[in-house]
Amino acid sequence: DSGVTQTPKHLITATGQRVTLRCSPRSGDLSVYWYQQSLDQGLQFLIQYYNGEERAKGNILERFSAQQFPDLHSELNLSSLELGDSALYFCASTGVTGANVLTFGAGSRLTVL
Amino acid sequence: KNEVEQSPQNLTAQEGEFITINCSYSVGISALHWLQQHPGGGIVSLFMLSSGKKKHGRLIATINIQEKHSSLHITASHPRDSAVYICADAVRDDKIIFGKGTRLHILP
Repeated sequence: DSGVTQTPKHLITATGQRVTLRCSPRSGDLSVYWYQQSLDQGLQFLIQYYNGEERAKGNILERFSAQQFPDLHSELNLSSLELGDSALYFCASTGVTGANVLTFGAGSRLTVL
Repeated sequence: KNEVEQSPQNLTAQEGEFITINCSYSVGISALHWLQQHPGGGIVSLFMLSSGKKKHGRLIATINIQEKHSSLHITASHPRDSAVYICADAVRDDKIIFGKGTRLHILP
């Protein structure tokens, strides 16, 4: 157990639907990153939150949104789902700076049919 | 051009061989991460380093700040080392740039 908890582990849904992925960071970590990994692709940075505030945005579609709550857990909302959104979605957390250990959750595998 | 380049992209070797995976980055770092992604998808942090060399079991990571280059070595490789190895340049806390990974396959 890495200390970063992601739910659900697997999710199958249909095009046009909306899903929410949840991430609880490692205890003490303030920064949460969301990444997308499509089949045989590298990790694509989506968005980062630090202590409740959006810190950086990557290649995140307008159909996707995220937030970090006061208890530091984060949710990634994916709406109007398309087949191409099928991917592994990883959450990772670090401490105050990127120089701290980057800890990944086990990922949420989303399949859009 | 990706700001973090890894080589080789794919590597197949026999059990027991010494493995080297290279990572070059173009932006300055606060830390460089080496990650291992297992076939099941889980990602594990192997090393985080900003200078010199670190060793953990059969794994060794080195970094040359002047040359902006890092290497991951595996001694006495084993089939269970088969995985994708990812290098990541933590430029600062809001910017971590990932390489595309090196897929390693160790044959028994």
